[in-house]
Amino acid sequence: DAGITQSPRYKITETGRQVTLMCHQTWSHSYMFWYRQDLGHGLRLIYYSAAADITDKGEVPDGYVVSRSKTENFPLTLESATRSQTSVYFCASCGREGLLYEQYFGPGTRLTVT
Amino acid sequence: QKEVEQDPGPLSVPEGAIVSLNCTYSNSAFQYFMWYRQYSRKGPELLMYTYSSGNKEDGRFTAQVDKSSKYISLFIRDSQPSDSATYLCAMEPSPSGSARQLTFGSGTQLTVLP
Repeated sequence: DAGITQSPRYKITETGRQVTLMCHQTWSHSYMFWYRQDLGHGLRLIYYSAAADITDKGEVPDGYVVSRSKTENFPLTLESATRSQTSVYFCASCGREGLLYEQYFGPGTRLTVT
Repeated sequence: QKEVEQDPGPLSVPEGAIVSLNCTYSNSAFQYFMWYRQYSRKGPELLMYTYSSGNKEDGRFTAQVDKSSKYISLFIRDSQPSDSATYLCAMEPSPSGSARQLTFGSGTQLTVLP
């Protein structure tokens, strides 16, 4: 399917478990982003990537790891999940440098850490 | 204090009403101003963007930026039930340097009643 997809859409995990959220885009966009959305906080940037093998921290990176070996994929790993990481996670991509507002968002992954 | 403040609502209006959504910000470096619309259980989608101060109109939607007051607005004319969504403002400094990221407001939930 064309566009940006995320998997799984829903995930329940236990505290201390490692969990990986997947993001895939078919546009060959250079920039990709991971956000979390919590009530009262809006969207907060976790990590972003300007190209394959180039990643950088956002506002709230602690407890998360990313990689980008291929342009189209940008997985987000919670190394040891905590309850505070219960959130809705959005992946986004952007094709043109200098036009970050043209981000296309995925449908989100709703993660619950028990 | 957050860099971007947005009244979370909820805001409920009758069909056909004019809706005014607002954000204030504290970072004078912001140059790009965006409005995103997010339907329930979906990712945000770009509605409008404005560079620097001024107005921009797109159909029933008008975005206004007042940099002197650090205040941005989104007006929706002849509101429709299909406009019911959460509206997020977002901002970015001039696109230069390595710290490229958007700062989002927390979103205003709007319901348009038929």
